[in-house]
Amino acid sequence: EAAVTQSPRNKVTVTGGNVTLSCRQTNSHNYMYWYRQDTGHGLRLIHYSYGAGNLQIGDVPDGYKATRTTQEDFFLLLELASPSQTSLYFCASSRSSQDTQYFGPGTRLLVL
Amino acid sequence: QQKVQQSPESLIVPEGGMASLNCTSSDRNVDYFWWYRQHSGKSPKMLMSIFSNGEKEEGRFTVHLNKASLHTSLHIRDSQPSDSALYLCAASMDTNTGKLTFGDGTVLTVKP
Repeated sequence: EAAVTQSPRNKVTVTGGNVTLSCRQTNSHNYMYWYRQDTGHGLRLIHYSYGAGNLQIGDVPDGYKATRTTQEDFFLLLELASPSQTSLYFCASSRSSQDTQYFGPGTRLLVL
Repeated sequence: QQKVQQSPESLIVPEGGMASLNCTSSDRNVDYFWWYRQHSGKSPKMLMSIFSNGEKEEGRFTVHLNKASLHTSLHIRDSQPSDSALYLCAASMDTNTGKLTFGDGTVLTVKP
């Protein structure tokens, strides 16, 4: 099965702090996605990418930046973290736009 | 307005029983429907996908799609306690981007 890893698995920061979440896939997939999952909500798309250097805005992008440095690595940046960004963050990858998305194990972020 | 609505929010079925989960899109641009399963504390994993009218069966799982009403349903026969999980329906409305819009999910509990 496709392998997607995320780090860190847990993170605590304070309001106004700077946080970077990392995602790596070794599946040679072109597409990568960042989602957040909150109680009472399904998964909501933050940013996504078609390939290295490409970035696309998702449905809930406010307060987040992303960078895709290589085909394997996709980063999510919170430059001024707020308590409303406390959430469970998932990264996913897929071979093409019509293929199954494979999810990483998630990063739980707490903003105090 | 939520573009993908799932019902019921939660469902309890006895072991060996049939579980039926529903999902409707309010966006007529939907191309594919996906069903993901997420066990507690784990990441979502794709269960089944469907894009043509009709029915698709894989083992104990059957998915129906009615494109005219933008409605899909997932049926699990001979439900097992290991099927207890959050079931997420997702709609793909632009196959060029791979963007998925998820519903809030149905929590299925299978009682031994």
